[in-house]
Amino acid sequence: AQRVTQPEKLLSVFKGAPVELKCNYSYSGSPELFWYVQYSRQRLQLLLRHISRESIKGFTADLNKGETSFHLKKPFAQEEDSAMYYCALRGNAGNNRKLIWGLGTSLAVNP
Amino acid sequence: GAVVSQHPSWVICKSGTSVKIECRSLDFQATTMFWYRQFPKQSLMLMATSNEGSKATYEQGVEKDKFLINHASLTLSTLTVTSAHPEDSSFYICSASRGAGGQETQYFGPGTRLLVL
Repeated sequence: AQRVTQPEKLLSVFKGAPVELKCNYSYSGSPELFWYVQYSRQRLQLLLRHISRESIKGFTADLNKGETSFHLKKPFAQEEDSAMYYCALRGNAGNNRKLIWGLGTSLAVNP
Repeated sequence: GAVVSQHPSWVICKSGTSVKIECRSLDFQATTMFWYRQFPKQSLMLMATSNEGSKATYEQGVEKDKFLINHASLTLSTLTVTSAHPEDSSFYICSASRGAGGQETQYFGPGTRLLVL
């Protein structure tokens, strides 16, 4: 079954501390993995995707196929990083382009 | 670029009436659009995939006769909540796909808050 698991509903860190938002997935093939972010009172937006292998706003995420994980990391959290973060998966089978979503992790960065 | 709009941004209606929500891709053409519900402090729940020129694909448990989806053009999809009831009150979000293959990205609208009295 296709599934995305974000084990932490809420993560609270202090400014300047490292942060890691966990994401594990279940998929039989080679999926595409994404992190989306939703800041307060804003629309959902793409943060990064595993294919791009880029760092956005200091965040990185490495796809670990052995552990079926796609954890989101940032070495030094900032207050403006406080938001809801969603991990999502898209399969590569057929024409089904829908995303499978995790339940989200609310990140609170405290001053 | 890649802006998605929704209209209205909020709507209040009486129980039993129907409500139409529009989703538009303003600066790109979207073959595929998606409709979601989001409950307070919860994740997105995909309701249906809307394909231009064909019938929408509904997720399990979503009543297709209750939530009518029309994707008449490459820039417009509509969701009509028919005979709305208070339990239909929710935040409805659409997204539109742009790009292909590894560059395909879903761009989200700002959402429509529906309150059924």
